[in-house]
Amino acid sequence: QKEVEQDPGPLSVPEGAIVSLNCTYSNSAFQYFMWYRQYSRKGPELLMYTYSSGNKEDGRFTAQVDKSSKYISLFIRDSQPSDSATYLCAMSSSGGYNKLIFGAGTRLAVHP
Amino acid sequence: EAGVAQSPRYKIIEKRQSVAFWCNPISGHATLYWYQQILGQGPKLLIQFQNNGVVDDSQLPKDRFSAERLKGVDSTLKIQPAKLEDSAVYLCASSLDDRVREQYFGPGTRLTVT
Repeated sequence: QKEVEQDPGPLSVPEGAIVSLNCTYSNSAFQYFMWYRQYSRKGPELLMYTYSSGNKEDGRFTAQVDKSSKYISLFIRDSQPSDSATYLCAMSSSGGYNKLIFGAGTRLAVHP
Repeated sequence: EAGVAQSPRYKIIEKRQSVAFWCNPISGHATLYWYQQILGQGPKLLIQFQNNGVVDDSQLPKDRFSAERLKGVDSTLKIQPAKLEDSAVYLCASSLDDRVREQYFGPGTRLTVT
């Protein structure tokens, strides 16, 4: 079993839709949760970062962490064609050397 | 602020040949990471440096991969000899230090081994 599971998609939605992206994990030591966006042939770009449980909002993006269920989500409101990319969840534990464990990524396509 | 720089962007080599990748992290970032991203997968950490010392190389195939970070700034990752399964994107990332969780990635080097 992988430490971090993420549905690879692809996910195709119309412009303006609300998008929900999710990851589950098995390691209860994970405390730091991140979402990266990766455009084709580019490096991952940090989108959202949360510590422990709770919600965090930044513009059209909301990140949620439910540690009791070992489940994290990223919501994108009013999705735009420019949001078309692969979204990677990543997480690390509080100890150690900041080693990030990534999900496989979900490909999102937002069509006009 | 300049981002993480990597070169070359693309490289095609034959199996058993050697190849080297270069990374220049964000200025002032003490921690540098090399990741391998195989098509359809998330990045996997190969090696992590804190300044010029290695803090985690547990997933680096040491029989063929090596990396160094002289003077605690630039870093080079080398593969010798390359295998077909080394075809991947090699990503360099940096963070302010190993307690700061945000990592910033470069554009990557896409390696094809034929």
